Amino acid sequence: EVQLVESGGGLVKPGGSLRLSCAASGFSFSSYAMNWVRQAPGKGLEWVSSISSGSSYIYYADSVKGRFTISRDNAKNSLYLQMNSLRADDTAVYYCATTVTAHNAFDVWGQGTMVTASS
Amino acid sequence: SYVLTQPPSVSVAPGQTARITCGGDNIGSESVQWYQQKPGQAPVLVVYDDSDRPSGIPERFSGSNSENTATLAISRVEAGDEADYYCQMWDSSRDVVFGGGTKLTVL
Repeated sequence: EVQLVESGGGLVKPGGSLRLSCAASGFSFSSYAMNWVRQAPGKGLEWVSSISSGSSYIYYADSVKGRFTISRDNAKNSLYLQMNSLRADDTAVYYCATTVTAHNAFDVWGQGTMVTASS
Repeated sequence: SYVLTQPPSVSVAPGQTARITCGGDNIGSESVQWYQQKPGQAPVLVVYDDSDRPSGIPERFSGSNSENTATLAISRVEAGDEADYYCQMWDSSRDVVFGGGTKLTVL
């Protein structure tokens, strides 16, 4: 079964750091680009970052550029998001997502992990 | 940056056809995807590349895309279709863009 499982969310004070992980299984992780998408409480989906299969190409939303770092370890079938200088408006459920069979689309999503930046 | 505009809400009676639009400058030249999200759940892909359906998605879900508007149509709407729907595309910088979302209410 194709599966993505996020972990690492929690409560952090503004200005703090957190590292999210996404464990992949059921597909050839090293062959696919990976993405982070977030959703603030009661709000819509917001793309955060993407990384190519071999880590050569990395993209960030303007809202997180310079504060967040995406990375992956293909040997461990894992995706990461290092979040620094967290702000209250980073509070959201963070999903990892990928394209396995559907061209241009995110056809596999994790269940999400909640990040709360609050004092 | 590119903006995708969706109506905040659409209401439809059971058995009727719901149409949810996604507006953008010359969006017809891009590939558009649609996601369904029910409360407390992760999004689910229902249409990709404008009009293709992933395996397991009913034929009642269809998509089209022309000029400045992409449309998701749901025919023979059921109570279980009540959800938030989001359109999505990739812009020229390979950034991902989501629409603001549309809440579909089944009357």
